[in-house]
Amino acid sequence: EAGVVQSPRYKIIEKKQPVAFWCNPISGHNTLYWYLQNLGQGPELLIRYENEEAVDDSQLPKDRFSAERLKGVDSTLKIQPAELGDSAVYLCASRTRTVYTEAFFGQGTRLTVV
Amino acid sequence: TQLLEQSPQFLSIQEGENLTVYCNSSSVFSSLQWYRQEPGEGPVLLVTVVTGGEVKKLKRLTFQFGDARKDSSLHITAAQPGDTGLYLCAGALRYNFNKFYFGSGTKLNVKP
Repeated sequence: EAGVVQSPRYKIIEKKQPVAFWCNPISGHNTLYWYLQNLGQGPELLIRYENEEAVDDSQLPKDRFSAERLKGVDSTLKIQPAELGDSAVYLCASRTRTVYTEAFFGQGTRLTVV
Repeated sequence: TQLLEQSPQFLSIQEGENLTVYCNSSSVFSSLQWYRQEPGEGPVLLVTVVTGGEVKKLKRLTFQFGDARKDSSLHITAAQPGDTGLYLCAGALRYNFNKFYFGSGTKLNVKP
């Protein structure tokens, strides 16, 4: 079974430019998460989807960040315009919507804004 | 303040030593997970604990869930350089099991 797939793995952009990250969760996983992780720290939740509905986006900076999960499968996270402080690793995770099941993570996208 | 407090933040030890990492909260969790993350990779699940007082062993790693389901510990016996990485605890609250909260992580370096 394929794991969570993210692309690209690395992205370097200039500040004020737009950027997009893509995530394909594990087949059958209803819940999808986007996390931001700074170096050496724990992931911080940006947004959580249950199928195609964003049920928790309170930590998403909506002035510049947007996300979508059309058809409740793949998801895209966008930043426009990017700022220097957005440099981080963006992780996608998915899980089934049952108690006690764990989340599975993709390898992440390392974003560098210069 | 974070819902899950992990300690210590950093740990640098010699090969063969034992160590314990702690994950504490004032909230009750329905389950707690421990992940290990290597540089440039996503977190990889080590274990899930769901019952208060539960102890799980994975080779040289021993995981314990507190009786009140508010805390957990990870103990590594005879650490090896291959254990080096960022260890993360994560938990799902009792009444919102779809939302995971992560600890700040413990960066472990095992020197040969």
